[in-house]
Parts: sequence; structure tokens; C-alpha cells
Amino acid sequence: AQSVSQHNHHVILSEAASLELGCNYSYGGTVNLFWYVQYPGQHLQLLLKYFSGDPLVKGIKGFEAEFIKSKFSFNLRKPSVQWSDTAEYFCAARWGGSYIPTFGRGTSLIVHP
Amino acid sequence: IAGITQAPTSQILAAGRRMTLRCTQDMRHNAMYWYRQDLGLGLRLIHYSNTAGTTGKGEVPDGYSVSRANTDDFPLTLASAVPSQTSVYFCASSDSNSVSEQFFGPGTRLTVL
Repeated sequence: AQSVSQHNHHVILSEAASLELGCNYSYGGTVNLFWYVQYPGQHLQLLLKYFSGDPLVKGIKGFEAEFIKSKFSFNLRKPSVQWSDTAEYFCAARWGGSYIPTFGRGTSLIVHP
Repeated sequence: IAGITQAPTSQILAAGRRMTLRCTQDMRHNAMYWYRQDLGLGLRLIHYSNTAGTTGKGEVPDGYSVSRANTDDFPLTLASAVPSQTSVYFCASSDSNSVSEQFFGPGTRLTVL
């Protein structure tokens, strides 16, 4: 079965630190990739997505992610985090023509002011 | 209505009782989904539907049923609730293609005693 792995379950940073959250997906042909964010007490919302073209994708709130096909990775980055980035982050993938995504287990990010 | 609404917001339920969680979207999306979110387990797909009149089983369908009588509504029913169904339930919708992101509802927090 195809899978998505997020290796960092909990990340704690100070404000202004740089962030990189790992996401790896299993092989399955053409893949579309997503990062979602869930702020405390809220629902998931899209940060960014990749489906073709430039492998460096820029999203909202200064986040970006890089699709590295050879490494089956789609890591999320932000050069300088803020306290308001405290949230749960989910990576998701869709393979081939399927519309049903597979989610990783999520990474909890806490940013100390 | 804007986006996806879910009802109730929260519910405490006695074991053995029947419960229906409601979900309505106004974006005319073909696909709809039900997830449960549990600490450490991320999002797990319960059931999905890619168009009115059709439904499918996700990763954790046991104890749950769904119906899709029309495009907008996708209720989730627990026929006889058990404590292990205590969770936060999210409804989502999307276009039924591989590049469209999902839009999530605000969630229902269900406690089964």
C-alpha cells in the first residue's frame, strides 16, 4: 500500500529559527503532493501543493516545499518561524489518477516566543 | 453557508446509542470524505464518495455508515456507538481529480461514554 511518512512527530523551536519538516512518500508513479496546516482548535487548511512544473513550491505565510523525485521527498521549509506558526502540519499525497489522498501522521510544531 | 459546515460541534453520547454527524458543502464538489483524527494517529479515512449515489470504504470503516443522496450532504452514522469511536471527526470535500486540494469542515468532537 502507498504511504506517506512524516519522521518528525514533535518539533519545538524558538521564534526566528529556521524550519524544515520531513515528508517522504512511497513510489507509485505520478504523484501530487500537499501540505496542510491545522492551527489549534481549527480545521485543516492548505499551505501549498505540487502537481507539476517547478519543484520548488511557494505557499502561504512564507512556507515553501521542494519536490525531490529521486528522494521521494517533499519537505516543508520556512526560513524564520513565528509564534503564530504553532500548529499541526500534515503532508499528503495522491498517486496516479486517484482523487483520494493518503495523509502522513502529522508533525506538531511548537514555536516559543 | 460558506464552505463546509458540520453539526453538531460537539457531542457526548452513551455507548450503544445511534448518532448521525451531519456535513454539508456549498462548493458543488463531487467528492466528499469523512476522517477521524486521533492523537498520534493523524487523519484516518472512514468513508468517501466521489459522486452522489456512490460511496466507498476507507481505512477504518467498521462501525460507521454513510449515504450520499445529493451533492451537498454526506452524513456519517454510528449505528451503535462504542468508546473507541471517541474522536474528532472531520468532513472534507474536493473536486474528484488528483490535483485538487481538499476543503475541511470545522470538525465534530464526539465523546462516547
